[in-house]
Amino acid sequence: QVQLQESGSGLVKPSETLSLTCTVSGASISSHYWSWIRQPPGKGLEWIGHISHSGNTNYNPSLKSRVTILVDTSKSQFSLKVTSVTAADTAVYYCARDRLDHEALEIWGQGTVVTVSS
Amino acid sequence: DIQMTQSPSSLSASVGDRVTITCRTSQSISSYLNWYQQKPGKAPNLLIYAASSLQSGVPSRFSGSGSGTDFILTISSLQPEDFATYYCQQTYSNSRAFGPGTKVDIK
Repeated sequence: QVQLQESGSGLVKPSETLSLTCTVSGASISSHYWSWIRQPPGKGLEWIGHISHSGNTNYNPSLKSRVTILVDTSKSQFSLKVTSVTAADTAVYYCARDRLDHEALEIWGQGTVVTVSS
Repeated sequence: DIQMTQSPSSLSASVGDRVTITCRTSQSISSYLNWYQQKPGKAPNLLIYAASSLQSGVPSRFSGSGSGTDFILTISSLQPEDFATYYCQQTYSNSRAFGPGTKVDIK
């Protein structure tokens, strides 16, 4: 079955860049939209942005100036970079896949904790 | 941007109860509304998409309704595994914002 797995730096210093990768297995990355979502400790969910297999992106306007999402179809991976991080970027970061026919996050990774601290 | 509210923010219910959760948006989003269930320490799970379509594998006791600005998630007969937090999400605007969540716990 389709599985998504996040990986990357779990501890990032303030003002530096957060980098995460999501590896897709069990399905081709050459279809669907692929998303990043985050959840600060004890709080709700925030959609960060998504990318298509061809590289078309949409970002949450509140994060757009600091976020880049890229896709590498040869590795079945997509990635997230968030620049100039602060403690407010501390969260569990999830990657997910949208349904093909409607924007809805149908398959999720298990999530990875990222802490911003010096 | 579109503001999302959910009510109630929390509720206590018993197994077998009928539970309804409301999601309201600050402007019309047609049927661009999804519902998710999240259990502690786990990723969310898609329940309903396009306001009223049941995701494959989700029990039929879950249903969604509404359009425009007012949406409802209904659990017809609450089961022990349904105690969780429920989030709505709009996919009409670029923010793809989630609601603040409704926590359902055991009475």
